[in-house]
Amino acid sequence: DAKTTQPNSMESNEEEPVHLPCNHSTISGTDYIHWYRQLPSQGPEYVIHGLTSNVNNRMASLAIAEDRKSSTLILHRATLRDAAVYYCILSASTQGGSEKLVFGKGTKLTVNP
Amino acid sequence: KAGVTQTPRYLIKTRGQQVTLSCSPISGHRSVSWYQQTPGQGLQFLFEYFSETQRNKGNFPGRFSGRQFSNSRSEMNVSTLELGDSALYLCASSFEGLAVGGHNEQFFGPGTRLTVL
Repeated sequence: DAKTTQPNSMESNEEEPVHLPCNHSTISGTDYIHWYRQLPSQGPEYVIHGLTSNVNNRMASLAIAEDRKSSTLILHRATLRDAAVYYCILSASTQGGSEKLVFGKGTKLTVNP
Repeated sequence: KAGVTQTPRYLIKTRGQQVTLSCSPISGHRSVSWYQQTPGQGLQFLFEYFSETQRNKGNFPGRFSGRQFSNSRSEMNVSTLELGDSALYLCASSFEGLAVGGHNEQFFGPGTRLTVL
């Protein structure tokens, strides 16, 4: 399975932008890049996903390197509610023809007031 | 729309026992995936069920099994519990599941915290 590498932790101040990096040097051409986050005492929740082009939604932006070996999740204005563990995930094709999500260790984001 | 529900939320068992966890997906979702989360190993994929058939399986021993019913509700069973099975077990549902070449947002439940003594 292709793996992702993220910093263990990052800190940000409230209302400032946050750039969360992810390396995935062994990504295959068909792997999608997904980001999920897990708030304390909750299950993970979807943030954003992409394949090749940069993506924007109401929660965040995803910047994907041209060679697809790295990506960056951008939170434009961090709030206290954004404090969570952020997972960069690749979807790996299986022998059965479908896919599974392969989670890494994630980045614990602390947002300071 | 109600979210993914998991029961029970907390469970304490002893070594050697077996346990069954339940997951009710969001209405209309046909795919249910199960994950194990531990501090040491993080989130690991167990298996995925789609339309009552196991479609994907992670690298877990045969003591871990699951099934899905016609109403898409799913159960997972762990037999002969070991101390290392203590974990948060998360269930996620999506409409189509993890389809090749696409993306189907996974909606996670709050998890069942299993403690094995």
